[in-house]
Parts: sequence; C-alpha cells; structure tokens
Amino acid sequence: QVQLVQSGVEVKKPGASVKVSCKASGYTFTTYGISWVRQAPGQGLEWLGWIRPHNGNTDYAQYLQGRVTMTTDTSTSTAYMELRSLRSDDTAVYYCARSLTTYDHWGQGTLVTVSS
Amino acid sequence: EIVLTQSPATLSLSPGERATLSCRASQSVSTYLAWYQQKPGQAPRLLIYDASKRATGIPVRFRGSGSGTDFTLTISSLEPEDFAVYYCQQRSNFGQGTRLEIK
Repeated sequence: QVQLVQSGVEVKKPGASVKVSCKASGYTFTTYGISWVRQAPGQGLEWLGWIRPHNGNTDYAQYLQGRVTMTTDTSTSTAYMELRSLRSDDTAVYYCARSLTTYDHWGQGTLVTVSS
Repeated sequence: EIVLTQSPATLSLSPGERATLSCRASQSVSTYLAWYQQKPGQAPRLLIYDASKRATGIPVRFRGSGSGTDFTLTISSLEPEDFAVYYCQQRSNFGQGTRLEIK
C-alpha cells in the first residue's frame, strides 16, 4: 500500500533552517509528483510547492521564493523540503502528499516550531 | 490565481441529517476540483476528485457535484465519524474550510 513517512518534530530558532524528509513506498516514486502543504495552528491548508521526482522540476509558492528548496533522492524514494530563514509564522505542521492534480496520499505531518 | 470560497464556515447538524457544503471558484475550473476531510491531529484525506468521483474506500454517502465555478459536497446521512473539517482544492489552491460540528 502507498505510504509516505515523514521525519520527526523539529524545534528551530528564528533565522535557522529546517529540512523535512518524506519517504515514499508502495508505488513507483518517479511516476507521481510530491507536493508540500503546511498548516499553521488552528488554520487551513497552505500549498508550499511541488517537485516532480522524474526530472527534478519544481514549482514553488511565490511568497516562499528564495527561502524554500525541494529535492528528491530517487535511489531511496525520498523527498525533502528545506525552508531557510525561519520566522515564527513558519510554525506549522508540514505535510508531503503524493500528487498529480489532487493529493491522494499524505504523510503523517511534521511539526516545525520556530521559537527563540 | 484562483480563489476558492467555502460556505458555510461552520455547519451544525445532528447524526442522520444531510449535510450540504459549498465551494465557489473565482473563475471556471471545469471539473478539476477535489474535496478533503480532516480530523483533529490527522492529515487530510481525499474524498472526491474531478468534482464527482469518489476516492478509493470512500463511502457512497459522500457525493460531489458541480462544474465551472460552483461545487457541492453532500453527505447524505451523517455518521458520527463524519464530523470534521472539509476543504476543497484546485491545483495549488485550497478553500478556507468548512467545520462540520455536532449539533
């Protein structure tokens, strides 16, 4: 069965970087995209960007341009999302999701807390 | 950018009742619209894609309809486990969610 397993809780100081991983199994990794979505406490879902493992093509949310990098390692079927220059309003649960035009399988989420 | 507006923000109903949730797009999205359910502490779960197709394992009481700019998610007879937050989505855009709560 399709599974996306994410890395664990992160606590970071403002200005630091965080890198969240998402290991996929149960399907051919290169045939679907991986999207990243976050959810601030008590808020809705916010799209961060998308990567196509087949060729590494990416599309990032404009408000994150320059702060986010998404990569994949096809040898381990793992996707990564790095967010730099963290601010307190980056505190959220970060999800990866298998995607084409919809997000049909999701990781369990990774809580990233940014606090001094 | 397409804006998705969901209504109502909160819907209070009892088990066994029918729920009707709305999602309106700021411009036509054809039938490229999906619905998700999210329970506290859990990741969202895909319910409906392409406006009206149920995802694998989704009960028949969940029905999606609509095209263009107006879409509806109908839950025919609410079960206790259906009380959650529901989001519509089109590509990189999400609605703000409808909270379905027990009356």
